[in-house]
Amino acid sequence: DAKTTQPPSMDCAEGRAANLPCNHSTISGNEYVYWYRQIHSQGPQYIIHGLKNNETNEMASLIITEDRKSSTLILPHATLRDTAVYYCIVKIKETSGSRLTFGEGTQLTVNP
Amino acid sequence: DGGITQSPKYLFRKEGQNVTLSCEQNLNHDAMYWYRQDPGQGLRLIYYSQIVNDFQKGDIAEGYSVSREKKESFPLTVTSAQKNPTAFYLCASSTPTGGSYNEQFFGPGTRLTVL
Repeated sequence: DAKTTQPPSMDCAEGRAANLPCNHSTISGNEYVYWYRQIHSQGPQYIIHGLKNNETNEMASLIITEDRKSSTLILPHATLRDTAVYYCIVKIKETSGSRLTFGEGTQLTVNP
Repeated sequence: DGGITQSPKYLFRKEGQNVTLSCEQNLNHDAMYWYRQDPGQGLRLIYYSQIVNDFQKGDIAEGYSVSREKKESFPLTVTSAQKNPTAFYLCASSTPTGGSYNEQFFGPGTRLTVL
């Protein structure tokens, strides 16, 4: 699986958009970009995933560059409850069980 | 409510004792996983199981053992051979949608402290 690079920490004002970047310059054609988050002392929570098109769900939007070497997770209106560590993971989709490799992620702090 | 339960939330054991962590899911998921998390670090895969009575080692299986006798249950035993067992242990499950596994659902975790 391709390695990802994320900033260790970011701050965001409550109500503003939080844009979390992820670099994955060695991504291969069959690898997807997944985002999870982990609120302190809880289990991680799946947010969104994508291959090459931009994706949006009720939690966030995922913007993947045309060359697929980087992506951005967007939380459109951050709240205090969005304070968490956000993990960007790149891996292939498997049909017989999937393994997630978590790096150290980005600690997002949403400030009032 | 469907979900994954792990018990207990906090667990203390003396050095040299084996301890078993519980993980139960009622989501009817095929695959289950155990991860370990150390302070300030990401998760590392210990073991995973894709079907009943079958499991594979993850990246850090030494000192751990698992069983998968039932679809709903995937207990993890931390043996005395595990040199640094104090950590946060997370269980997860997943099932294929549209032919592939997309999302893993995580339990609340068990924080094990070995004294």
